[in-house]
Amino acid sequence: SQQGEEDPQALSIQEGENATMNCSYKTSINNLQWYRQNSGRGLVHLILIRSNEREKHSGRLRVTLDTSKKSSSLLITASRAADTASYFCATVLIKAAGNKLTFGGGTRVLVKP
Amino acid sequence: DAGVIQSPRHEVTEMGQEVTLRCKPISGHNSLFWYRQTMMRGLELLIYFNNNVPIDDSGMPEDRFSAKMPNASFSTLKIQPSEPRDSAVYFCASRLTGPWQYFGPGTRLTVL
Repeated sequence: SQQGEEDPQALSIQEGENATMNCSYKTSINNLQWYRQNSGRGLVHLILIRSNEREKHSGRLRVTLDTSKKSSSLLITASRAADTASYFCATVLIKAAGNKLTFGGGTRVLVKP
Repeated sequence: DAGVIQSPRHEVTEMGQEVTLRCKPISGHNSLFWYRQTMMRGLELLIYFNNNVPIDDSGMPEDRFSAKMPNASFSTLKIQPSEPRDSAVYFCASRLTGPWQYFGPGTRLTVL
């Protein structure tokens, strides 16, 4: 089964609103990464948070990590129509050879202008 | 710099035919990953190479699938014989030493 499960599966918001999506995982991780996938395209990395970090920011992105709950959240503030995409969390397990990623099912975000 | 290059971008074939997907990683990257993405199963890692050597092929579905990396700038994923359930988008990704993987645009495979 997938290491990461994301919630919600789909999200529809108005431009300017914030979008929050969550990721839960099952086993101890080295780090957790978020990727974005535009329709018909490959994945693009957004932000990484290490297991000893609790929060990171990058532009309009804010990621939190709660290792006790085995969960992470991605917040996109002041969303834009261009943020419409699917967002995936991916975990790197402790001692994973080659930084192997295990992806969640993704959250489809629609930002309406 | 060119990103990860995959070819073909779209492939339509009939059941039983051999399919070969190609990937050129980013120059200088030493790890290469093949993924399959479907609505039902999401994004699955099939196999990955480090310095052209297959490290983990536990995700390869069955013997019909094989992957090679004859040199640092080229990899293939072959399905022989193909079946309708192999229809998916296949992604190649490469990585240098950091944590990020860089994905290609994918090959959309349809097996009729």
